[in-house]
Amino acid sequence: AQTVTQSQPEMSVQEAETVTLSCTYDTSENNYYLFWYKQPPSRQMILVIRQEAYKQQNATENRFSVNFQKAAKSFSLKISDSQLGDTAMYFCAFLLSGSRLTFGEGTQLTVNP
Amino acid sequence: DSGVTQTPKHLITATGQRVTLRCSPRSGDLSVYWYQQSLDQGLQFLIQYYNGEERAKGNILERFSAQQFPDLHSELNLSSLELGDSALYFCASSRMVGDRSEAFFGQGTRLTVV
Repeated sequence: AQTVTQSQPEMSVQEAETVTLSCTYDTSENNYYLFWYKQPPSRQMILVIRQEAYKQQNATENRFSVNFQKAAKSFSLKISDSQLGDTAMYFCAFLLSGSRLTFGEGTQLTVNP
Repeated sequence: DSGVTQTPKHLITATGQRVTLRCSPRSGDLSVYWYQQSLDQGLQFLIQYYNGEERAKGNILERFSAQQFPDLHSELNLSSLELGDSALYFCASSRMVGDRSEAFFGQGTRLTVV
């Protein structure tokens, strides 16, 4: 079974600075998909960024980018130029095609003015 | 708008009652997942369906059941409700798009058991 671990329950960053959220996972599979979801106080689950395991190039979506290290089974999220609206719970998730979507425990990020 | 529709958005019911939560996945998505999220908790995986068949089961209570219909919408049935069942229930759907996969969530059903 796949597992996802987020070792940082809480993090904080100053507005306009950069922050990195960590995620590690465990799997014996070779082809899979990784995601970061954001859950703001409204509790809506919002897809932030995704990465296909077969791609070596790290995914980027505007201020959000990932550092995907397949051999190390690491998938960290970097948020640049942090904004107050980035304050949210962030979940890392693993998907094996046709199988369950497995989530980490989440990291509560607070952006301070 | 993720394209995943959950109804109702809010539900208040008494202990011992039974409710049904509905999820319509995005058009073309074959997989549907159900998750439970209590206040300040992570996402607890309940169950997954793929094209009408149960694919994976998580920490789903015996009082809970689910199914996916031929039109791919899914329903989660919760019976003999207890106060501790109060939570946000999410549905997500996913598909393969070529060699990519993506999964999106509905807005959730907020269940309050009183």
